Amino acid sequence: DGGITQSPKYLFRKEGQNVTLSCEQNLNHDAMYWYRQDPGQGLRLIYYSQIVNDFQKGDIAEGYSVSREKKESFPLTVTSAQKNPTAFYLCASSRRLGGDSYEQYFGPGTRLTVT
Amino acid sequence: GENVGLHLPTLSVQEGDNSIINCAYSNSASDYFIWYKQESGKGPQFIIDIRSNMDKRQGQRVTVLLNKTVKHLSLQIAATQPGDSAVYFCAENTGGFKTIFGAGTRLFVKA
Repeated sequence: DGGITQSPKYLFRKEGQNVTLSCEQNLNHDAMYWYRQDPGQGLRLIYYSQIVNDFQKGDIAEGYSVSREKKESFPLTVTSAQKNPTAFYLCASSRRLGGDSYEQYFGPGTRLTVT
Repeated sequence: GENVGLHLPTLSVQEGDNSIINCAYSNSASDYFIWYKQESGKGPQFIIDIRSNMDKRQGQRVTVLLNKTVKHLSLQIAATQPGDSAVYFCAENTGGFKTIFGAGTRLFVKA
């Protein structure tokens, strides 16, 4: 089965600790994304990567870091600098459709709680 | 997540009725639009898409309408079922890698 996996589903951390969220895809997609989702809001883009060894900041990148060493993997680190890290984190990858449009596929998400 | 959509606009429909979920998009240059369904605790799932050179597209029990004049999208679900209960997001793509998502609408289906 092709798809996107995120682990773990639930993650708990103490304030001041860095934590890394895993995202793996076997869809052979070049582009991958990290979004944050809070109650009552749409998805907000944290980082995205168009290709291996390249990534770009999204709209809310402060306090987060990523790496893209392999096509299949795009881990997200939530650092202690992120002021409000408790949220639902979604990873996605995309394939190019005709023209210049991209269809995104989402993982199941990781619920991070920082206390 | 479990609290996604806590304060979202809500649409409540009777099982078997048709549902219409509306969305206003922001960028007149957007040329590709997608509707996603998100069930509690899961990631969004693709439902249907439409390009800006179309004004209507039909899928299985779903229809998307696009009105570019007023920058409005709607998702119509025929014969709504309890399994359709979820949060529905519209998304727009202006070309390239970034997609902009709406805040979502929560659909409740009453049995």
